[in-house]
Amino acid sequence: GQNIDQPTEMTATEGAIVQINCTYQTSGFNGLFWYQQHAGEAPTFLSYNVLDGLEEKGRFSSFLSRSKGYSYLLLKELQMKDSASYLCAVLDSNYQLIWGAGTKLIIKP
Amino acid sequence: EAQVTQNPRYLITVTGKKLTVTCSQNMNHEYMSWYRQDPGLGLRQIYYSMNVEVTDKGDVPEGYKVSRKEKRNFPLILESPSPNQTSLYFCASSLSTELYNEQFFGPGTRLTVL
Repeated sequence: GQNIDQPTEMTATEGAIVQINCTYQTSGFNGLFWYQQHAGEAPTFLSYNVLDGLEEKGRFSSFLSRSKGYSYLLLKELQMKDSASYLCAVLDSNYQLIWGAGTKLIIKP
Repeated sequence: EAQVTQNPRYLITVTGKKLTVTCSQNMNHEYMSWYRQDPGLGLRQIYYSMNVEVTDKGDVPEGYKVSRKEKRNFPLILESPSPNQTSLYFCASSLSTELYNEQFFGPGTRLTVL
């Protein structure tokens, strides 16, 4: 079956750095997405990786290793507004998105 | 403004009373999809549509119907709602699925079935 694993919850301190991991086992691979979702709101797009390596976008970076079935989202200089759930999703060989359950990130002052 | 709209945003109904949740996008997107989101389970796809008059079942289609008569609209129909369909529902659209394309989500519809 297809499976995406992320930690359920993580806690970090304002101003610090946090890494949210995602491992996947899917039927084929056409890219990996990270979305941010604040409580009660719609998910919003953060990043897309299809090749191995690190993609940096401001305070957020996303890394992919296709051979290991692994990705992480790195958030730097954490701010209170970064408190949200972070969703990992993989586009499989049929171009269907397989979603992880999300990681709830709690930022403490 | 490019957006996906859903209505209603909140709905409380009773078992068996048919309801429709509307979804509309103004970005000329080909692909549209419905998800439900429940605590601890993440987003689960109900139905999706690759284009007008083309719809397919997602992971949890039982108890739901959809239609895609126009490119911009993709309503979700619950013919006989049951309490286990109480959930947060999201409509999403993207330009296509075969290329890198982010999905744009509507604001969500919180449905309670008593």
